[in-house]
Amino acid sequence: GEDVEQSLFLSVREGDSSVINCTYTDSSSTYLYWYKQEPGAGLQLLTYIFSNMDMKQDQRLTVLLNKKDKHLSLRIADTQTGDSAIYFCAESPTGNQFYFGTGTSLTVIP
Amino acid sequence: SQTIHQWPATLVQPVGSPLSLECTVEGTSNPNLYWYRQAAGRGLQLLFYSVGIGQISSEVPQNLSASRPQDRQFILSSKKLLLSDSGFYLCAWKGHPSSYEQYFGPGTRLTVT
Repeated sequence: GEDVEQSLFLSVREGDSSVINCTYTDSSSTYLYWYKQEPGAGLQLLTYIFSNMDMKQDQRLTVLLNKKDKHLSLRIADTQTGDSAIYFCAESPTGNQFYFGTGTSLTVIP
Repeated sequence: SQTIHQWPATLVQPVGSPLSLECTVEGTSNPNLYWYRQAAGRGLQLLFYSVGIGQISSEVPQNLSASRPQDRQFILSSKKLLLSDSGFYLCAWKGHPSSYEQYFGPGTRLTVT
């Protein structure tokens, strides 16, 4: 599979912005995704971006893509305690196979 | 609306025993189907995916196998479990062929003892 890397942990204070970063290796990746996993549950699709886009905003979520550096980030504005979870970055070169990062565990401190 | 089911939710099996995990999808036809494993403290590893009945692609060679006997049914099997097979197994589906969104089931927690 492809290599997708994320930092393992992030802590932020409630109300602050969170920025979760991801790097990927396949420059041909067409689709890039962010998923959220709460304890003991499956993954929930948060948002995705096509490789021909630089930015996508969806309510409190902003995705930035730097294709040159193969860097993807997810910014969560006004982070809430309910945002505490593991966030996975994923890439899909073809739209059929998906390759996931190791996940970033976000802890929101009240 | 589409839903995805996995069972069982949890499973404890001894080393050397067989395994069968089942995943079914409702509310869609001809989906792509996927099996992933999430080991403790690690990310998701794509194990198998299928774009149609009887069509299985394996990403990682190991003692697991997958089958798709019906359009919306995906089964993960093993003849003899290893300790290293412990983990959280997730099934997912994607609309086929032009959808970009993949949706996950609730997962099966497998502990091999």
